[in-house]
Amino acid sequence: QSALTQPASVSGSPGQSITISCTGTSSDVGGYNYVSWYQQHPGKAPKLMIYDVSKRPSGVSNRFSGSKSGNTASLTISGLQAEDEADYYCCSYAGSSTLVVFGGGTKLTVL
Amino acid sequence: QVQLQESGPGLVKPSETLSLTCTVSGYSISSGYYWGWIRQPPGKGLEWIGSIYHSGSTYYNPSLKSRVTISVDTSKNQFSLKLSSVTAADTAVYYCARSPREWLSPWFDPWGQGTLVTVSS
Repeated sequence: QSALTQPASVSGSPGQSITISCTGTSSDVGGYNYVSWYQQHPGKAPKLMIYDVSKRPSGVSNRFSGSKSGNTASLTISGLQAEDEADYYCCSYAGSSTLVVFGGGTKLTVL
Repeated sequence: QVQLQESGPGLVKPSETLSLTCTVSGYSISSGYYWGWIRQPPGKGLEWIGSIYHSGSTYYNPSLKSRVTISVDTSKNQFSLKLSSVTAADTAVYYCARSPREWLSPWFDPWGQGTLVTVSS
């Protein structure tokens, strides 16, 4: 069982917006502004989409945004496109004992 | 640009030690940052294994700490992973990645392409 809880799957139609949640505790997500999100297409390495909760690396579309409220971080994808269909993972710093934890992943289907 | 490439045996016998190397190009490890290993069992999610600072300081996943050793060779611009006493549960795609910060963070970018390691007799 993963330390961070994500929905197993979400779906949306092209052009719509979806949000993927990532729920942890005050010891990880809620305690630090160090949450990152990764996109992974089948057979490919993960790609960084968001870091430090809401910062977007250069080259990542501004359709991707991140936020956090309490112990839950969220990734929002607006204007869904077919190429957004992939698995998405959240990751958080979890303090000096546990250090780094990932979520279980969410499969995004673009209908 | 920075590129990472994993290398090592694709098949390891149970109870033996898994050894992988990550070769970095386009950036000198000795210049700084953390460097990490992450794995993904077939059909499952990502698991952080551990990270090493360019100076050699290491941090490990507590669940794997007793079996993991990560080391760095700045002269070869490489860092390595050793996982001892492997079982079938250690079968996974192993990724290396850079953490572009001077302290441990969950920010991994870029990643290597990954290498599948199967534990089987």
